[in-house]
Amino acid sequence: SQQGEEDPQALSIQEGENATMNCSYKTSINNLQWYRQNSGRGLVHLILIRSNEREKHSGRLRVTLDTSKKSSSLLITASRAADTASYFCATDTGGGNKLTFGTGTQLKVEL
Amino acid sequence: EAGVVQSPRYKIIEKKQPVAFWCNPISGHNTLYWYRQNLGQGPELLIRYENEEAVDDSQLPKDRFSAERLKGVDSTLKIQPAELGDSAVYLCASSASPGTGYSPLHFGNGTRLTVT
Repeated sequence: SQQGEEDPQALSIQEGENATMNCSYKTSINNLQWYRQNSGRGLVHLILIRSNEREKHSGRLRVTLDTSKKSSSLLITASRAADTASYFCATDTGGGNKLTFGTGTQLKVEL
Repeated sequence: EAGVVQSPRYKIIEKKQPVAFWCNPISGHNTLYWYRQNLGQGPELLIRYENEEAVDDSQLPKDRFSAERLKGVDSTLKIQPAELGDSAVYLCASSASPGTGYSPLHFGNGTRLTVT
């Protein structure tokens, strides 16, 4: 079963614009992670935010977490065509690295 | 480092036939996962191994699915007999033991199974 629901399901933007995708989840978490999946490939880990953190940055990525609303957002700044991919949030609810993935946001960055 | 290796890359079989997928994790990674990803969905965990031990197989349909991880390295996932609804991408991932923290999952490129 999917723990997270992501919004929007699909997003199309122009290169240079910012892309924001949201993730909502149902149960308490230890941490929340974001992964990227290029077409026909496996998932690649992007960033993790722990339940006691509110914001995290890594390069052009910014992640926020609101545990009271059970939601997270991923912001990609100054997007590039190479950012075209599906993005998934994943929640770790019980520790031990047992992740439950969301339904994903399909991002398309056009030149 | 070499990544997670899966084979075959694609597999087409008729329903009721058996099929097996193979995974070689990153060297030194004790934890191995099998996920199933349906079209347009996120991956769903089938089974998780810590070394040779299956520590979470609650989502594995045990009537037709089986998995093994002999010697705590390579793993094989088998379906027998396959059904039309088994068509999906089967992803293998591995991670170092998280201890008290976490360790990111490293995924292979998956096996795309089509059951006709």
